[in-house]
Amino acid sequence: QVTLKESGPVLVKPTETLTLTCTVSGFSLSNARMGVSWIRQPPGKALEWLAHIFSNDEKSYSTSLKSRLTISKDTSKSQVVLTMTNMDPVDTATYYCARAYSRTSRAFDIWGQGTMVTVSS
Amino acid sequence: EIVLTQSPGTLSLSPGERATLSCRASQSVSSSYLAWYQQKPGQAPRLLIYGASSRATGIPDRFSGSGSGTDFTLTISRLEPEDFAVYYCQQYGSSPAWTFGQGTKVEIK
Repeated sequence: QVTLKESGPVLVKPTETLTLTCTVSGFSLSNARMGVSWIRQPPGKALEWLAHIFSNDEKSYSTSLKSRLTISKDTSKSQVVLTMTNMDPVDTATYYCARAYSRTSRAFDIWGQGTMVTVSS
Repeated sequence: EIVLTQSPGTLSLSPGERATLSCRASQSVSSSYLAWYQQKPGQAPRLLIYGASSRATGIPDRFSGSGSGTDFTLTISRLEPEDFAVYYCQQYGSSPAWTFGQGTKVEIK
């Protein structure tokens, strides 16, 4: 069974750095047909794609947030980590990790449950 | 950057009716890389359609996707009570690699 699970702080202060971890099971982060993205959703708003890491460690970032994001992976631990610097209250959102699979034309076929992050002093 | 615009913002329909949701791209999108998702309150999105017209595993055949170029459509042939939700289109391809539309809410009339 393929699963992804997000973990990280529930509350961060403005200007702090957010670190989120996505732990995957049921597939390998070295599988050339798969990669993992981070996607967020502010309360009551639309989905926003943030970053992606491919099996070969190539990375892709949202244009508007590129300067604040870093994505990395530890294949041995089956984890994908996202860091976002200089957090602001507008970054309050549910953060999801999701698998992009070449079999589904790189659509996100499996999603984690999401983790809600609030930015407040 | 490709912008996806979904319409209408809200669709008010009754169970059993047909729903037609639109997704328009600011530039041509490869049909191979256009997807649709369903999201219910408090849940993660669920993949419905990929490659513009292929149903994901376990998705009922009342859901269908079509379109090419800049205009794509998700059709729900007969709404079931569990279909009332928010639907998002998404494209993969040009930088940034993935973008989502702003969503269409299908609500009970």
